[in-house]
Amino acid sequence: AQSVTQLDSHVSVSEGTPVLLRCNYSSSYSPSLFWYVQHPNKGLQLLLKYTSAATLVKGINGFEAEFKKSETSFHLTKPSAHMSDAAEYFCVVSDRRRGGKLIFGQGTELSVKP
Amino acid sequence: GAVVSQHPSWVICKSGTSVKIECRSLDFQATTMFWYRQFPKQSLMLMATSNEGSKATYEQGVEKDKFLINHASLTLSTLTVTSAHPEDSSFYICSATGRDNEQFFGPGTRLTVL
Repeated sequence: AQSVTQLDSHVSVSEGTPVLLRCNYSSSYSPSLFWYVQHPNKGLQLLLKYTSAATLVKGINGFEAEFKKSETSFHLTKPSAHMSDAAEYFCVVSDRRRGGKLIFGQGTELSVKP
Repeated sequence: GAVVSQHPSWVICKSGTSVKIECRSLDFQATTMFWYRQFPKQSLMLMATSNEGSKATYEQGVEKDKFLINHASLTLSTLTVTSAHPEDSSFYICSATGRDNEQFFGPGTRLTVL
């Protein structure tokens, strides 16, 4: 079965400092992985996705993630945090054997201090 | 492109009444739509998969008679919470599958049952 584990439920950084949100996945075959962001009481916005092309994936708003098969990781990073980055972030794996259903991680709340 | 809308964005109802939530793909046709439920500070939980012209497929533990799903056209799916109770209060989010099976999410509907 496929699954994702987000290692931190909450991350706090200062504005202008790097962001690292950690995600490990479990999959018996090559996965499709996503990072979504959710601002309070809003729907989800796709930040980036990995679908077996380049292992370093660049997304919107300066975010990027690196797929590391040897570590079964797909961590999300950003060089410099902005106040507007404060939100909930979800690491997601697509279960292609179940019609592309998305399996969500538990979420990481990112706080950005001025 | 690839915009998904939900209506209403929020609803308050009395216990025992039924509430209908609409999910529309505005600029594309979606053969598959998904319905999720999200409790405060928690991740998204898939409730059901809705395919146009056929019965919805419900996830384990989700009562199909409680949460009625209709996918009457390629751009509209509805979720009806029947005989709503306070424990049904939640944030309901739909998504629609576009090209390449990418899911596009609606902005969510906040349901409060008094």
